[in-house]
This record gives sequence, C-alpha cells and structure tokens, in this order.
Amino acid sequence: QLKLQESGPGLVRPSETLSLTCGVSGASISSRDNYWGWIRQPPWKGLEWIGSIYYSGSTYYNSSLKSRVTISIDTSKNQFSLTLTSVTAADTAVYYCVKPIFGVPSGGYFDPWGQGTLVIVSP
Amino acid sequence: EIVLTQSPGTLSLSPGERATLSCRASQHVSSSFFAWYQQKPGQAPRLVIYGTSTRATGIPDRFSGSGSGTDFTLTISGLQPEDFGVYYCQQYGSSSWSFGQGTTVEIK
Repeated sequence: QLKLQESGPGLVRPSETLSLTCGVSGASISSRDNYWGWIRQPPWKGLEWIGSIYYSGSTYYNSSLKSRVTISIDTSKNQFSLTLTSVTAADTAVYYCVKPIFGVPSGGYFDPWGQGTLVIVSP
Repeated sequence: EIVLTQSPGTLSLSPGERATLSCRASQHVSSSFFAWYQQKPGQAPRLVIYGTSTRATGIPDRFSGSGSGTDFTLTISGLQPEDFGVYYCQQYGSSSWSFGQGTTVEIK
C-alpha cells in the first residue's frame, strides 16, 4: 500500500526558503511512468496545486508560483522535495504531498495524499 | 489555465436528502481527467470520483458523477451523516492541474 509522509519545519521566516520532503513507502519513486506532486491549502481556504514531477525529472509548476518553486526527486532516499523561495505570510498553509495517477482510460487525479503538514510563515 | 467554479458555495441539507453539486470549467475539460474529492475538518482530501463518473475504492454507490465539456455534477443520493464536509472538483489538462473553490455540504 502506497503511503506518503511530509516532513519539514513548521515555521519559516519571511523572505526565507521553505523546504519540505515527502517520504514514499510502498513503491519506488523512480518506477517508470510515476508522477509525484505537491498541493497546499491556506487556513480556511481551498486547494492549490503547486507542481508535479515525473519519474524522469520533468517538472510542471503552477504558473503563479513557477518563479519560486522547485520540486526534485531523491531516488537514494525514495523521497521527493519541495522548495519555495522568498516566502511571505501568504505562503502559510497546510502542504500535502500527493501521487498523481495516470491510467487508462482516465487519470490526472491525486491518490493517495499525505496527511499534510502546516507551515507558518512568521517573523 | 482552466478555472473551475463550483456552485452552490454551501448546501444545507438533512440526512436522506439528495445533494447536487455543480462545477463549471472556463474551458473544455476531458471527461477522462475530471475528479471530485471530499474533505472533512482536519483531514486530507479523499478521492471520491475520477474520470468524471468512476467511484474510487470504498466510495458507496450513493455517490455518482456526470458531465462533459465544461459542466460537471456530483450527486449524493440519500445523504448520510458521514457525507457532510467540503467537496472539491479538480481537472487536469496540458500538464496543469486546478481545483474548484469547494462546496460545503452541511447538516440542516
């Protein structure tokens, strides 16, 4: 059974860099045709897709965050990571790591989700 | 970027009633790449429907999805207490994903 677990600091100072890691168990992160991704949810607000990465390393980012976001894969640790630079209070949110699924005939959905980790941006 | 608009914002219903949630896209969405999620307070979203009309594992058959093009619907027939929460629609297209703003289904 595939499981995802986020980890990283819960507090980040404004203008600094947010870094989170998603540990993957139950599957190899480098398995062919796999995608991995990040989604966030500000307190009391809706869901926002941040970006996704293909097993080959190709990345896809939300255009609104593209200049500040990097998603990468670490095959040696079977995990993938999110880096968001120059954070502000608007980046305060619960961050989820997710598995985008592409199958036949349907796909493009997220399953499973990690439990989420709250990151607060504050001085 | 495809924008998804959900309506209504809140549905107040009693157990046993039918819930009809709508999601309208700003551009055509492939039916293969449209999904719905349920979220309860303090929990991660859970996949309910994918491919517009396929129920995810463990989702009861009172949940059904339909639609095509720019208009999609999630119907919950005979609401149960455990069905209350926030529902989000989601689409994928051209290497980009987006979500609707959510519909809250609350107990009347």
